[in-house]
Amino acid sequence: GAVVSQHPSWVICKSGTSVKIECRSLDFQATTMFWYRQFPKQSLMLMATSNEGSKATYEQGVEKDKFLINHASLTLSTLTVTSAHPEDSSFYICSARDSGLANEKLFFGSGTQLSVL
Amino acid sequence: AQSVAQPEDQVNVAEGNPLTVKCTYSVSGNPYLFWYVQYPNRGLQFLLKYITGDNLVKGSYGFEAEFNKSQTSFHLKKPSALVSDSALYFCAVRRHTGFQKLVFGTGTRLLVSP
Repeated sequence: GAVVSQHPSWVICKSGTSVKIECRSLDFQATTMFWYRQFPKQSLMLMATSNEGSKATYEQGVEKDKFLINHASLTLSTLTVTSAHPEDSSFYICSARDSGLANEKLFFGSGTQLSVL
Repeated sequence: AQSVAQPEDQVNVAEGNPLTVKCTYSVSGNPYLFWYVQYPNRGLQFLLKYITGDNLVKGSYGFEAEFNKSQTSFHLKKPSALVSDSALYFCAVRRHTGFQKLVFGTGTRLLVSP
């Protein structure tokens, strides 16, 4: 089945530094990828939709300058948390849709636990 | 705007017993409905989806869900629970047409005891 690889699985960083999270579709092309954030005991919240070759579409309330998204190829999207602060600590998950399939199934990465000290 | 409600934070069931995880939704027009499962420190795994057709949808690992339009529900079920089914389950909905944004419920933790 289709696999989405998300890296790193966990990262600890100092406040003020930037962290990049990668999301790769390993065996399919994904023109669209999604980035979610999950707080403990809360639902997944869609942060932005990443479109290959164009600017990402951010959800209301998500700072685009804070969470930089780049989707430079059909198999890779990156989320960069710039100038991270403790309140950015969260579980981030990406998902991708196989562009070659007509179904609605999304494939999810394994998530990245970000801890900002 | 679409929304999903999972009224139970946690569901406890003994192994071998049937389980139900509840989900109700609100969306304009016809819905696409999904169930995902999340194991600790892992991403989501797709279980099943309803797009159209038969109201009873069968998915992975023996799970099934029934779409009930009049009650706007999409409850997840399994006839015989396993301890390994213990995880966090998310229901999600999106509109039948238009943008592909998925809206997730808050999740229900399923705990299956031996």
